[in-house]
Amino acid sequence: NAGVMQNPRHLVRRRGQEARLRCSPMKGHSHVYWYRQLPEEGLKFMVYLQKENIIDESGMPKERFSAEFPKEGPSILRIQQVVRGDSAAYFCASSLPGQGIYEQYFGPGTRLTVT
Amino acid sequence: KQEVTQIPAALSVPEGENLVLNCSFTDSAIYNLQWFRQDPGKGLTSLLLIQSSQREQTSGRLNASLDKSSGRSTLYIAASQPGDSATYLCAVRADRDDKIIFGKGTRLHILP
Repeated sequence: NAGVMQNPRHLVRRRGQEARLRCSPMKGHSHVYWYRQLPEEGLKFMVYLQKENIIDESGMPKERFSAEFPKEGPSILRIQQVVRGDSAAYFCASSLPGQGIYEQYFGPGTRLTVT
Repeated sequence: KQEVTQIPAALSVPEGENLVLNCSFTDSAIYNLQWFRQDPGKGLTSLLLIQSSQREQTSGRLNASLDKSSGRSTLYIAASQPGDSATYLCAVRADRDDKIIFGKGTRLHILP
């Protein structure tokens, strides 16, 4: 059973471009979480999604950031018009269905660099 | 609002020593507490998860304790090795909530 997969592992974007980060949860997991780790900072929760639903987006910046988890395919975190402050490691985690009950398993992260 | 603090921020110890990493949290109404390891430029490896009803968990040379009432947890590493060098993150999950709240971590360096 493969773990949580994220791609790309490293992404370089120029200011103003769009960044798309993908997360494939573990098999059987229908809950996906995104976290961001800024340089020298701890990981911060961004958004929690179930298939076709955003459950909690309280940690998402109000502008330029969006997330989706379609019925088929990976979860996507999209950052429009990236700025240097978006440079960070973005981690995805997944869990089994059952709100708040099951352990979250983390992927290897995508390291975004904005030049 | 839950806050997680880890002290010290960085620690260097000679190989072979036993050591303790500290974690404190402000809201004792947690569902569980988890210790992770993060190597430079890498993802997270879960080390130990303690449910709120438990007081400790052990895995090999690692032992984690939890005192909910005082809002504290410790990670004890016995007979440290250079391979233990990494950043150790403490994280709590609120009462059946879905967010994990992380501390900033302790950067551990084991001197050969």
